[in-house]
Amino acid sequence: QVQLVQSGAEVKKPGASVKVSCKASGYTFTSSDITWVRQATGQGLEWMGWMNPNSGYTVYAQKFQGRVTMTTNTSISTAYMELSSLRSEDTAVYYCARTGSYYRYWGQGTLVTVSS
Amino acid sequence: QAVVTQEPSLTVSPGGTVTLTCGSSTGAVTSGHYPFWFQQRPGQVPRTLIYDTSNKHSWTPARFSGSLLGGKAALTLSGAQPEDEAEYYCLLSYSGVRVFGGGTKLTVL
Repeated sequence: QVQLVQSGAEVKKPGASVKVSCKASGYTFTSSDITWVRQATGQGLEWMGWMNPNSGYTVYAQKFQGRVTMTTNTSISTAYMELSSLRSEDTAVYYCARTGSYYRYWGQGTLVTVSS
Repeated sequence: QAVVTQEPSLTVSPGGTVTLTCGSSTGAVTSGHYPFWFQQRPGQVPRTLIYDTSNKHSWTPARFSGSLLGGKAALTLSGAQPEDEAEYYCLLSYSGVRVFGGGTKLTVL
């Protein structure tokens, strides 16, 4: 069965970077884009961007341009989302989702806490 | 970047009908925005109810339907059940960039 398993919770200081991983299984990893979405506590969903694991092509939300980098390692079927220059407002749960299945499959979420 | 708007909250009676809408700051929502609708219950991961305006996943209850209505994307719930109480988000596509609406908190009361 298709699964997306994300890395564990992170605590970072303001100004640092965080890299969240999303390991896919149960399908051909390069056949489907991966989207990243975040959600601050008690807030709505925020679309961050997507990446094509086959070509490496990325599209980022304007808000995160220059601060976010989405990459993949196809040899281990894993997608990564790195966010730099962290600030307190980046405290949120970060989700990966398999775009090509009409967002049928989601990771369990990774809580990133930014605190001094 | 476009802004996607939804009603912040709506209330529906059990067995009743309610329509949630999703508008775009750039103008009318069309099928070319490939509207999605997600349901999220507290503490859970979002799940897709509707994709590409009106298509359903295998788990989408028949009482949910998607459409375009008056220049907006719409999610209609006919015959509300207590388990439908949740947050609903729409997602629109703008030439590769996607934007979520702010969400509608639906109360079944």
